[in-house]
Amino acid sequence: SQQGEEDPQALSIQEGENATMNCSYKTSINNLQWYRQNSGRGLVHLILIRSNEREKHSGRLRVTLDTSKKSSSLLITASRAADTASYFCATMITGGGNKLTFGTGTQLKVEL
Amino acid sequence: GAVVSQHPSWVICKSGTSVKIECRSLDFQATTMFWYRQFPKQSLMLMATSNEGSKATYEQGVEKDKFLINHASLTLSTLTVTSAHPEDSSFYICSARDSSGVFSATDTQYFGPGTRLTVL
Repeated sequence: SQQGEEDPQALSIQEGENATMNCSYKTSINNLQWYRQNSGRGLVHLILIRSNEREKHSGRLRVTLDTSKKSSSLLITASRAADTASYFCATMITGGGNKLTFGTGTQLKVEL
Repeated sequence: GAVVSQHPSWVICKSGTSVKIECRSLDFQATTMFWYRQFPKQSLMLMATSNEGSKATYEQGVEKDKFLINHASLTLSTLTVTSAHPEDSSFYICSARDSSGVFSATDTQYFGPGTRLTVL
């Protein structure tokens, strides 16, 4: 299976704290994308980082990519209760025809 | 912008019946759409790639005769679960690639809200 691994599987933090999620993958990629999914809902695209990029920011989100280690991290700063959701990384592999392979996901709970 | 809709949002059917799920890109063209299924508390698994005007490409292990895909226009793909059985109960999600690059780079996929299928 090409599916990536994410850790932790579950993360519970207090509002205002930072949350860090990690994603590892197995093959050469064109890009890596992070998505958020609220319970029982569709996915929301958060950020895309290309294989030649090392870091990207969007609002309170910071994504890093280390292609030598085949890993990425998503940092959410100053978390809010509304950030409670599942977060998935997805890789678009080289020569994969724009298909996305999703990681196992991290369930984030932000408590008041 | 970049909205993808799915219909219905949920469906309950009897075993043996067929169910059609629609996926529409509302404000962009999508020559390629993707169908995923997701079991509770699990990740998304790609079922097939839907290509406008041509046959869908199925992932290994997905029965093409059971999950019929039609992509008749640049904004609509349909997934029909034929002769549904309880084990087909799942959350089905589609995504559409912004092939015209109106909203983002063409390798960004936008996801629909999903369809929950329950087969009794």
